[in-house]
Amino acid sequence: AQTVTQSQPEMSVQEAETVTLSCTYDTSENNYYLFWYKQPPSRQMILVIRQEAYKQQNATENRFSVNFQKAAKSFSLKISDSQLGDTAMYFCAFLRPTGTALIFGKGTTLSVSS
Amino acid sequence: NAGVMQNPRHLVRRRGQEARLRCSPMKGHSHVYWYRQLPEEGLKFMVYLQKENIIDESGMPKERFSAEFPKEGPSILRIQQVVRGDSAAYFCASSPAAGGSYEQYFGPGTRLTVT
Repeated sequence: AQTVTQSQPEMSVQEAETVTLSCTYDTSENNYYLFWYKQPPSRQMILVIRQEAYKQQNATENRFSVNFQKAAKSFSLKISDSQLGDTAMYFCAFLRPTGTALIFGKGTTLSVSS
Repeated sequence: NAGVMQNPRHLVRRRGQEARLRCSPMKGHSHVYWYRQLPEEGLKFMVYLQKENIIDESGMPKERFSAEFPKEGPSILRIQQVVRGDSAAYFCASSPAAGGSYEQYFGPGTRLTVT
């Protein structure tokens, strides 16, 4: 069975700084999808970025980028130029290509301060 | 285009009562997923439905929980004889089709409190 591990329960960063959130996963599959979701205090789940395992290139969405290391089964999220609005819980998630159930890690609470 | 709608946003039930949680998927989406988030935890998959069919209920507790997605109307997650351990946030998501190529769009969740 697939598992997703986020080893940092909490992190804090100052505005404009860069922060990296860690995620590792375990699977025997060769192809799959990885996601980072953001859950602000409103509790709405928002997709931040996605990565397809067969793609070598790391995904980027504006200030958000990932470092995908397939052999190491690592999928970290880098947030550049942190903003107060980035304060939220961040979840890493895994999905098999034909699967329907997202498998989530326990999350990392990120606090951005001025 | 309205997003995924869930109601109620907050629901309080006494032990032994029934809880009904509703989810209206995004327009054009016929695939619905329910997830549960316990305090300080990530979301856990419960069930996946298409119109009138339960496709995968591998995450549903065997007793007291049921789900449906009728031809007309919202998807319903029903919890009978609620217990304190059912207190959680329940999220619904929808997608236009199944599989990793299709994003699951989440609703705002229903927070269930059992007293």
